[in-house]
Amino acid sequence: NAGVTQTPKFRVLKTGQSMTLLCAQDMNHEYMYWYRQDPGMGLRLIHYSVGEGTTAKGEVPDGYNVSRLKKQNFLLGLESAAPSQTSVYFCASRKGGLNTEAFFGQGTRLTVV
Amino acid sequence: AQSVTQLDSHVSVSEGTPVLLRCNYSSSYSPSLFWYVQHPNKGLQLLLKYTSAATLVKGINGFEAEFKKSETSFHLTKPSAHMSDAAEYFCVVSDLNTNAGKSTFGDGTTLTVKP
Repeated sequence: NAGVTQTPKFRVLKTGQSMTLLCAQDMNHEYMYWYRQDPGMGLRLIHYSVGEGTTAKGEVPDGYNVSRLKKQNFLLGLESAAPSQTSVYFCASRKGGLNTEAFFGQGTRLTVV
Repeated sequence: AQSVTQLDSHVSVSEGTPVLLRCNYSSSYSPSLFWYVQHPNKGLQLLLKYTSAATLVKGINGFEAEFKKSETSFHLTKPSAHMSDAAEYFCVVSDLNTNAGKSTFGDGTTLTVKP
């Protein structure tokens, strides 16, 4: 029972490089989310998806793009990485409907130098 | 709009003594409220959730929280701290009727447990 799986777990990028973070969930959840976690700031929502083929902006979307081509996968892309994007990234998924909690992946620690 | 404030960024207790982590929220709707725990270099794990049923909610590992609408609070408590409770704790509010269930996180409270 894998739950929510994020790859990679760690990555170091040079400024200007691009990369894609993959989130996969095996719970058939409708909703998926990407957050970033910075010291002393809790988690902030980057983008989210309410179903296959749909995406929407969250609180801090600039510099990121997402895609949800398959229900089980939610990809987060950085086209031109910047040092300000150094952070820990968490993916989460949630079943549709009321009163359902989110399940989180283990996180991806990204450093942009 | 919704927001959540965790009133203490750091809490330190001795092993075996009670734990109190404070959380106040604001929400335009009847909110769903959650507490998550994050151990170092780990993901977030759900401790408990309030979903408009009983106001006193029991969670895992002996934690519980009481929803007080009049005080807009959802404080997390545990009668007796254990060393393994040392972690970061997040209070989360979600308006599950709107906004695709987007959650707003508090800034977190770091719990230290002294032997």
